[in-house]
Parts: sequence; structure tokens; C-alpha cells
Amino acid sequence: DTAVSQTPKYLVTQMGNDKSIKCEQNLGHDTMYWYKQDSKKFLKIMFSYNNKELIINETVPNRFSPKSPDKAHLNLHINSLELGDSAVYFCASSQDRFGAPQFFGPGTRLTVL
Amino acid sequence: ILNVEQSPQSLHVQEGDSTNFTCSFPSSNFYALHWYRWETAKSPEALFVMTLNGDEKKKGRISATLNTKEGYSYLYIKGSQPEDSATYLCASLDSGGGADGLTFGKGTHLIIQP
Repeated sequence: DTAVSQTPKYLVTQMGNDKSIKCEQNLGHDTMYWYKQDSKKFLKIMFSYNNKELIINETVPNRFSPKSPDKAHLNLHINSLELGDSAVYFCASSQDRFGAPQFFGPGTRLTVL
Repeated sequence: ILNVEQSPQSLHVQEGDSTNFTCSFPSSNFYALHWYRWETAKSPEALFVMTLNGDEKKKGRISATLNTKEGYSYLYIKGSQPEDSATYLCASLDSGGGADGLTFGKGTHLIIQP
């Protein structure tokens, strides 16, 4: 059983399109996250979501919007995709927001043409 | 905003040798320090979470120490094996709020040579 899953694994799309990436965790965790791995392989936090409370990183453009239909899912919707959005996006979850180890999904490689 | 630094950036070690590398982080508002192991084509996997000054954690041949007063952590690997080849990430969590996610270092890329 996959603990944290993401779909799709690969996403190739045109500039200006709107796309979503889905994330699901079956660990019963309270907190979920989205990270972006940039071109230098650096993992950066985008959002965290804890029991329906969204915490936004202010450096993330508002074209990015997380949506959490329930505690087990945190989807990432991206409007008006730009070339610079090309990256690998990782979802993660943890038992709580107070430093518990995080479990990462397999990543979604987004390519914007 | 945290600034987490790791050194060295990459490291080649002969199989059977022991090695260690460093993570430094701001000591103010410190809450927790995480170590992750990231193999190529896989996802990061948690190794250790440490919170207290002087903490030492061990998992098999891998161990880690934490100094929160001076803001550094060491990861040690004893008797390196080829399967230890991976990127080792440290990440710091502060108590200052914000996105409540981890601030990662750029990692130490470890290659074990048979």
C-alpha cells in the first residue's frame, strides 16, 4: 500500500493552461504539505494544511491554490501555467505540525512548454 | 526565514570507510531538526527527528547528533556500504510560524565506491 500517492506522475502541458495535481495519504495524518523542487534540486515549502487550516507561504504566486476536500487529500491547482512552473512537485504528510517526520509522495514532474 | 546549510555538497567514500557530514541552521527559534535520505528516483525518507540539545539518534550504522546552542547537527555513517549512496538532506523547523513546513538544506550527495 502506498502511504502518500500523487497523480499524475508526469504532466506536460502548454503555457497558459490550468492543471491540477492530486495527493492522497492513507496514514491518518493531520498535516499535509506541498513542496517544489527547483532546478537546483532544492526542496522548498509551498503550503501546509493542518485539519482544514491552510498556511500559505507568501512567496508562492496566487496562481497556485491548494484544495483539501478532506484530511486525506490535498490537491494543488495551478492557473495560467508559466514556463517557470516547470519543476517536480512533492506532496508530504505528517502526524502533526509540531515536527513529526514527514512522509513524501513520489513526486509529479511538471513540464510547461 | 531559515537558512540551512549542508557541507560538503558531495562526498566520495570508499566502501567500508566511515564518514560524516554537517548541517548548520539558525539556533534562534529552533524547534526540530530532521534528517532525510533521498535515493535517486525515489522520495525522501525520514531518518531522524531531533529536538533537544545533545540529542543522539541511531539507526543501524547511521547516527546523528544535535547541538541547538551553536546550530549544527552531524550525520555519521559507519562502515559505508554501496546502498548508502544517496543524497542526505537536513531540514529545520522553527517555532516562528509561517508555512510550518521544513526548511531544507541543499543536501550532501554521498557516493560509496566499491
